[in-house]
Amino acid sequence: DAGITQSPRHKVTETGTPVTLRCHQTENHRYMYWYRQDPGHGLRLIHYSYGVKDTDKGEVSDGYSVSRSKTEDFLLTLESATSSQTSVYFCAIRTPRANYGYTFGSGTRLTVV
Amino acid sequence: DAKTTQPPSMDCAEGRAANLPCNHSTISGNEYVYWYRQIHSQGPQYIIHGLKNNETNEMASLIITEDRKSSTLILPHATLRDTAVYYCIVRVEDNFNKFYFGSGTKLNVKP
Repeated sequence: DAGITQSPRHKVTETGTPVTLRCHQTENHRYMYWYRQDPGHGLRLIHYSYGVKDTDKGEVSDGYSVSRSKTEDFLLTLESATSSQTSVYFCAIRTPRANYGYTFGSGTRLTVV
Repeated sequence: DAKTTQPPSMDCAEGRAANLPCNHSTISGNEYVYWYRQIHSQGPQYIIHGLKNNETNEMASLIITEDRKSSTLILPHATLRDTAVYYCIVRVEDNFNKFYFGSGTKLNVKP
């Protein structure tokens, strides 16, 4: 749907290791977003991008960095993973459909042990 | 930063209408209300959106009060597959149109 894919779908990593999650889109949309979702909670915005090399922090950005060197790819990096970053991560793109609502990827389930 | 309040859970009988309320009393005049749903741990799925007028599409209807401080999502004939978490979102009208999610309403459709 809307050509948005996330990789990997599942990952288990050890505390203290760096981890990069990838969001890829095929429709050349300008705006992309990373969210995390924890049990019993809605989605919380981590970072967003409004163009190549243009990014900004969301409400829960500590411990995360992002990069957007190409329109189609938005990368989320955990510099040194901690157990509190165990979560499901969703990427979204803003599309002209539905008056510029979001289309979400299928998510990446990350476990930090 | 969520600007909406929803009940944590609701039940609905299969085949009946499901009416999901949302309070957004601090909404600004040019901010849209969006509804999404999330089934299991899939990515949220767009349902409907509106500004002032009531809206209807193939999935649902959206009723927005005249003062715009609350809205109701209506699923006219709920099925078991409509069991999901439903999120009411007010889209922040800045240059980046960020969505801030609340905790949503878990709708349980029962046979």
